[in-house]
Amino acid sequence: EVQLVESGGVVVQPGGSLRLSCAASGFTFDDYTMHWVRQAPGKGLEWVSLISWDGGSTYYADSVKGRFTISRDNSKNSLYLQMNSLRTEDTALYYCAKDRSSGSYPDYWGQGTLVTVSS
Amino acid sequence: DIQMTQSPSSLSASVGDRVTITCRASQGISNYLAWYQQKPGKVPKLLIYAASTLQSGVPSRFSGSGSGTDFTLTISSLQPEDVATYYCQKYNSAPPFFGGGTKVEIK
Repeated sequence: EVQLVESGGVVVQPGGSLRLSCAASGFTFDDYTMHWVRQAPGKGLEWVSLISWDGGSTYYADSVKGRFTISRDNSKNSLYLQMNSLRTEDTALYYCAKDRSSGSYPDYWGQGTLVTVSS
Repeated sequence: DIQMTQSPSSLSASVGDRVTITCRASQGISNYLAWYQQKPGKVPKLLIYAASTLQSGVPSRFSGSGSGTDFTLTISSLQPEDVATYYCQKYNSAPPFFGGGTKVEIK
C-alpha cells in the first residue's frame, strides 16, 4: 500500500525558513517523479514543484521559484521541500504526491502538513 | 505557460441529475488531462486520466471526454456522496497546472 507521510509544518514568521519532509513507502520510490502541491485555507489546489526520479530535473511554480528547493534522498525514500524567504501567502496545507510515472500526474497523495506564515 | 480554466466555479444540482463540468486549456494539450475529486476535509483523489480513462475503483457514473483545449467531466446521475470540489490538471509538460476547481453541491 502506497503511503506518503509529510512532516515539518509549523508556524513561522515572514522571512523565515522551513524544511518539509515526506516519507514514502509501499512502492519503489526511486522509480517515480514526485510532487509538492499546496492548498491555502479555503482555496484551490496549487502545484508547487516536481522532481524527477533521480533528482536530475526539477520544476517550480513561478510563485515559489528562487525561494523553494525540492530535493530527494532515494536511499531514505524521502522527499523534501526547503522553503526560504517565506511570505504570508505561502500559508497552506502542503501535500506530497507520487507521480503516475515520470512527469505526468499525481496518483497518490499524503495527508498534508500545515505551514502557517504569520508574525 | 498553459493555463487551465474551469467552469462553472460552483453548481447546485438535485440527486439523479446529470452534471457537466468544463475545463479549457489556453493551448492544446492533446489528451494529457486528469480530473480529481476532493471531498470536504479530505485529500484529493484521482478520478480520470488521459482525459477519459477511469481510475480503478471510480464509479462508472463518472466519465471524461475531450481533446486539445476543451474537456468535460460528467456525472451521469449525481449522488449525495459526490458532493466535492473537482479539479482538472494538465500534464502534457511542466508545469502541471490545476484548474481553479468546481464545487458541486446538492440542491
